[in-house]
Parts: sequence; C-alpha cells; structure tokens
Amino acid sequence: LAKTTQPISMDSYEGQEVNITCSHNNIATNDYITWYQQFPSQGPRFIIQGYKTKVTNEVASLFIPADRKSSTLSLPRVSLSDTAVYYCLVDSSGSARQLTFGSGTQLTVLP
Amino acid sequence: DADVTQTPRNRITKTGKRIMLECSQTKGHDRMYWYRQDPGLGLRLIYYSFDVKDINKGEISDGYSVSRQAQAKFSLSLESAIPNQTALYFCATSDFISGGEETQYFGPGTRLLVL
Repeated sequence: LAKTTQPISMDSYEGQEVNITCSHNNIATNDYITWYQQFPSQGPRFIIQGYKTKVTNEVASLFIPADRKSSTLSLPRVSLSDTAVYYCLVDSSGSARQLTFGSGTQLTVLP
Repeated sequence: DADVTQTPRNRITKTGKRIMLECSQTKGHDRMYWYRQDPGLGLRLIYYSFDVKDINKGEISDGYSVSRQAQAKFSLSLESAIPNQTALYFCATSDFISGGEETQYFGPGTRLLVL
C-alpha cells in the first residue's frame, strides 16, 4: 500500500501562489496522483490529476518529477475562498484497487 | 455534489445495533466507493464496487458489509456497531476513463456517532 505524507497545515496571503507537496516514496509504475479539496461539512472535490511531468487546468497545476516520489499542487493567486483541506491521493488501479489518501493539508488564506 | 446523495446525514446509535447508510447517485457511473474519515487520518477505503456484480474489500472492511442493489445504489451496513466506528462516512462514484485516470465524486457525508 502506497504511503503518502503531506504537511499538516500552511498559511498564505491573498494573491500569493501556494505550493503543497505530497511525498509518495513507494508509488508504483502505473499509479496516478490526484488532488482533492474539502470544505467543512462537505465531501472532497476533484482538483487535478496527473501521471508525470506537469498538468494544468483552470484552477491549479500539478508538478510530478521524473522519479514520481513526490508531487506538488500549485494554486496560483489564492483567495480567501481557497481556505480548505487539500488531500493527495495515490491511485493504484491494479487487480486489487488501492486508494491511499494523504492525511490532508489545512490551507488557511489570510487577508 | 447533488448528484450523489447520502442518507441519513447524521445518525446516533448504540453499541451493538445494526445500522445501514445509503448512497444513491444519478451520474450513471458504474463504480462506487465507501470511505470513512477520521480526524487527522484522511479518508480510508472500506469497500468498492465496479458494477452491480462486483464488490471488493478495501483497506478497512472488518466490521462492515455492503450491498449494491442497483447501479445507482450502494449501501453500507454496520452489523453490530461499536464506538470506534464513530466517524464521518463518505460515498463516492467515479467515471473510469482508462488506466488510473479516474475522477471521484463524493456525497455530502454521513456523520455517525456510536454510543
């Protein structure tokens, strides 16, 4: 089972870029990395997913180095509404499905 | 996501009672999941189902059972609830694309307290 490690919390100010890193040292060759956002009293919501190098969508970028032992979620120009818990997920889609969520990073955006 | 609903939203029960948590989805997805979330531990997979006839144990299935009544419905049962099953439970569905590319859509959660 892949193990993931994230920082417990981070603070930032409005308008700054925030980078949250997740380490997953024993990731398997075919595993994908996904990031979710969760607000209080809600279920997690998909942000971005990738396998290698860099992926960008309308809300975030995901950087995955060549060794794939870590990944970094980048949120450009955060606002107060980005205050939430962010989870990385390593998704092993082999014969026995293994979904390993990190313990989450509480991002607090300050005015 | 309103397309994934969970009932009840909150439940208080006593040790030894059997309870069922229900999940319904209107997204037309074949894959459904049950997770529990505990403070500081993130989400842990209890059971998952790739279609009506395919049900699989996840990381922490002991003490739980599931039923996939239809493509749209996936229920989680605690046969004899115990206090350490107090947690927030999430149901999710996913649109499998290929390989590991998959987006999960989560319900609003059920908060369970076992006394």
